[in-house]
Amino acid sequence: DAGITQSPRHKVTETGTPVTLRCHQTENHRYMYWYRQDPGHGLRLIHYSYGVKDTDKGEVSDGYSVSRSKTEDFLLTLESATSSQTSVYFCAISEAAGGLYEQYFGPGTRLTVT
Amino acid sequence: AQSVSQHNHHVILSEAASLELGCNYSYGGTVNLFWYVQYPGQHLQLLLKYFSGDPLVKGIKGFEAEFIKSKFSFNLRKPSVQWSDTAEYFCAVNPYNNAGNMLTFGGGTRLMVKP
Repeated sequence: DAGITQSPRHKVTETGTPVTLRCHQTENHRYMYWYRQDPGHGLRLIHYSYGVKDTDKGEVSDGYSVSRSKTEDFLLTLESATSSQTSVYFCAISEAAGGLYEQYFGPGTRLTVT
Repeated sequence: AQSVSQHNHHVILSEAASLELGCNYSYGGTVNLFWYVQYPGQHLQLLLKYFSGDPLVKGIKGFEAEFIKSKFSFNLRKPSVQWSDTAEYFCAVNPYNNAGNMLTFGGGTRLMVKP
């Protein structure tokens, strides 16, 4: 398995509170991604990073921000959590761009916003 | 924007039955195609992938998929399923010139195999 950890693995929080999820990799891969998984929608890309301090938006970026100050860490922040952000969040990494480079996924974080 | 459709949302099979899960995508250019599997409580794992060449791709655990360009399809098959194949299966597409290597996923097909 690729060296990807996510923390926390489970979190319950209240509407309006800030939440930060962490993805940590030991593979020194350049690309990192945050997806959310919801029933019937598969996985949808929130944000991705193509290097330290280089990030871009994905399909469902509203309400989320990211930061990457080190190669190994990619943080996802919900500035003010809402119930619609209740989901399972997966981090993924990829060595490089281009279809030859598959994405490896972390174990996921289950977030519940009450 | 491209989209990926998996028309079978839930499939129930008995052991030893044959499996075919449909996947269609809407992107008109060259694509890279993937099937991922998620076993209960686990993260996504790559089953197989297609980049170029032989449109019939073989993956792990006896799975295969066929890329039919004219139909924009990449269906997943297995001749004889086992109880351990119970999982959710996701098709994903990556346009060939996608600078960010981003994947667009289908909604998933939940497979239950009865022993």
